[in-house]
Formats: sequence, structure tokens, C-alpha cells
Amino acid sequence: DAKTTQPPSMDCAEGRAANLPCNHSTISGNEYVYWYRQIHSQGPQYIIHGLKNNETNEMASLIITEDRKSSTLILPHATLRDTAVYYCIVREVRAAGNKLTFGGGTRVLVKP
Amino acid sequence: GAVVSQHPSRVICKSGTSVKIECRSLDFQATTMFWYRQFPKQSLMLMATSNEGSKATYEQGVEKDKFLINHASLTLSTLTVTSAHPEDSSFYICSARAGRAYNEQFFGPGTRLTVL
Repeated sequence: DAKTTQPPSMDCAEGRAANLPCNHSTISGNEYVYWYRQIHSQGPQYIIHGLKNNETNEMASLIITEDRKSSTLILPHATLRDTAVYYCIVREVRAAGNKLTFGGGTRVLVKP
Repeated sequence: GAVVSQHPSRVICKSGTSVKIECRSLDFQATTMFWYRQFPKQSLMLMATSNEGSKATYEQGVEKDKFLINHASLTLSTLTVTSAHPEDSSFYICSARAGRAYNEQFFGPGTRLTVL
């Protein structure tokens, strides 16, 4: 699976949009981009995933560049409860060996 | 989303004893379950993948005789840390997936193991 690069940390103001970048320049055509987050001392929580098109759900939006070499997770109105480590993962969806490999993630601190 | 539970949430044991951690998928059948380990301020490291009814596949460097994994049913997987030592103290997290091609993977809340 392709490797991802994320900034180690970022701060965000409460109520503002948080834009979390992720580089995955070696992504291949059949690899999806997944985002998970982990609040302190809890298990990771699924946020969103996509292949080519931009995606939106009740939690966030995922913007994938046309060449698919990078993506941005957008939390539209960050709250204090969004403070967490956010992981960007690329994964090939295939019948066997389908597993998530976590990198370092971005530690997001939402400030009042 | 689907719910995955783990039991216990915290366990403290003496060095040399064995500890069993349970992972259950509460509202779906999990054909595949994964076990991760996370040390403080580090990312999750995949330990093994198990498919219901078959032997687990361990990641490189993970001792299969020390970390026994059983996935006997579609809703339950167990991880047994045998002869635990202080260096095994960690946060153990399981996750479950409903089908081979199913995209989403759901995580349990984790189990904090402390070996004295």
C-alpha cells in the first residue's frame, strides 16, 4: 500500500473549518484514501473514504486532487471534541490481505 | 456505524501470567478481525489478521506463540498474551470487518494492559 505524509500537528480555532492535508504521491489506481481519527485512549473512529471523487458525510468532506496524489480532510465547523489524532491511509481493496496500515497521523488541537 | 466491543477495558497483571482480551462485533458478523498494539505517543501497529475459522496471519516480528489469537465465531475473537512481561504493557485494539470486500473497518475501544 502507498505511503502517506501528514503534518505532525496543527491547531484549529473552535467554530472554524479545519483543513487537514495528506500527501500520497505513490498511490495507485485501485487504492482508496481513508481517514480515521483517534481520540485519546480510545479506538480509531472511521471518518470517510474515497477513490477519485470528492466525498461528504455528516462528519467531514474529503477533497481528492485530480491526480490523486494528495487529499484534504475538511472538518467544516471544528469543535473541542474534534481534538484527536487524524490518520490518512491509502489502501488497496482486494479480496486478500486487505488491511489498514497506520502512519504517524496529524495531532489536531481545537482551541476555544 | 457498526459497534465493536472489547473486554476488559483495563487489566493489570503480574509478570509471568497470561491475559485474555475479548473482541466482539455486536451488530454484525465479522469475517475478519484485526489486532493492533499501540505504545504511548506512537501509532497503531498491526499485530495479526484473523479470518473466522482459520489460523491468524501474524505480522513480521510478532511472536505467534506469545500472542495467541482465536477467531472461533463470526462475532468473537480473543487475544491471549501468554507469560506477559512488563514490555508487553500496551494499548491493545481490535477491529472488525464485515466482508472481504467491505470497505469500512470498525475499531473497538481498546484494552489497556499493564504488566507489573
